[in-house]
Amino acid sequence: DAGITQSPRHKVTETGTPVTLRCHQTENHRYMYWYRQDPGHGLRLIHYSYGVKDTDKGEVSDGYSVSRSKTEDFLLTLESATSSQTSVYFCAISVGAIGQGGTGELFFGEGSRLTVL
Amino acid sequence: AQSVTQPDIHITVSEGASLELRCNYSYGATPYLFWYVQSPGQGLQLLLKYFSGDTLVQGIKGFEAEFKRSQSSFNLRKPSVHWSDAAEYFCAVGTYAGKSTFGDGTTLTVKP
Repeated sequence: DAGITQSPRHKVTETGTPVTLRCHQTENHRYMYWYRQDPGHGLRLIHYSYGVKDTDKGEVSDGYSVSRSKTEDFLLTLESATSSQTSVYFCAISVGAIGQGGTGELFFGEGSRLTVL
Repeated sequence: AQSVTQPDIHITVSEGASLELRCNYSYGATPYLFWYVQSPGQGLQLLLKYFSGDTLVQGIKGFEAEFKRSQSSFNLRKPSVHWSDAAEYFCAVGTYAGKSTFGDGTTLTVKP
């Protein structure tokens, strides 16, 4: 158990409203990631973080922002939700990243299902 | 840019039969390769990984995978499938900073 908690687990919201998803880890790992999962697309990286206040974009970052003010928390924000952002969002951590002495395997939270009406 | 292809969207096998799920990758450097499994409503769980050494790697739940550089493949196998193996399986290639690129997944159905 990598000690990853996502909240909320389910959320329904209206188009144009802001939404924040939270990922909390208990083990002080440096690397954290947000992925979205859509049928037929596998998992796609939205943003990732390599330390407090250090974040970078993934392949599908448009419309999303992130923040990491503490090691244990990584927040994903949709400033103005759209129907195309209806998805299941997964937070993940890497115990040791490739190039940093690790092998890059990921440990996932249980997901947050977001529906934008 | 790296990419992962899982040619089979859906596979159905009978319980007790053998299984092979295909994965092909494209990556310019030595690949770090992973197989993950996802049960309905759950997050992904690592089955096995390859990053160097023996090209046949063993994982949890009786799964194994073979890395073939010449074919850019990392196929997942299991000699005898159990009903509890029904799930979605994802192949992934890992890159710098722990970022991973995933295939689109293969859904496994197990017939009794």
